Amino acid sequence: EAEVAQSPRYKITEKSQAVAFWCDPISGHATLYWYRQILGQGPELLVQFQDESVVDDSQLPKDRFSAERLKGVDSTLKIQPAELGDSAMYLCASSLPAGRLNTEAFFGQGTRLTVV
Amino acid sequence: GENVEQHPSTLSVQEGDSAVIKCTYSDSASNYFPWYKQELGKRPQLIIDIRSNVGEKKDQRIAVTLNKTAKHFSLHITETQPEDSAVYFCAASTGALASGGSYIPTFGRGTSLIVHP
Repeated sequence: EAEVAQSPRYKITEKSQAVAFWCDPISGHATLYWYRQILGQGPELLVQFQDESVVDDSQLPKDRFSAERLKGVDSTLKIQPAELGDSAMYLCASSLPAGRLNTEAFFGQGTRLTVV
Repeated sequence: GENVEQHPSTLSVQEGDSAVIKCTYSDSASNYFPWYKQELGKRPQLIIDIRSNVGEKKDQRIAVTLNKTAKHFSLHITETQPEDSAVYFCAASTGALASGGSYIPTFGRGTSLIVHP
């Protein structure tokens, strides 16, 4: 069964350092999302891509976060500099574009970030 | 933007009882409502979804109802089992019925369901 791949699974970094996460969506899924999930809460959308274009990044803290999907396939989310409050699970998800019968978002295993 | 409220935050039931989780949404344009189950340390996985042109959908022990007028939808689990214990998230989004439109699910804060044997 096809899955969304994310790496690393776990990351510990010191505050003020840079950190990057990688996501490879299910093949053929044009839509890719990055979510942040704080412990005990629901996922919050950071950024959504349609192919290589950003559809929504209104909730992305652009002073320190950046995301790219240069070839419309895999994606990288970067934080620089990391802050203590960034500790969370970062989930990547992908789906077929809207308008298809199956618009389910499939999630990766996530990257658990701890900033110390 | 869309705002999704989910209640209760914690639900404790005895095995065999029914469990109901309720969500409300704010954007009347939302037309797709998935429910995800997230077991401890694992990824969220879709368990059932409903579109705005349907009022109710059932899959074995799980059912979802949608009231578009009141802008609320609910998840019903019957004959609960210990393996149903997990965090359940509702979500609401637009674009599911629009060709080429964007699809941005907004999630509720989650309900921790505990099923006691």
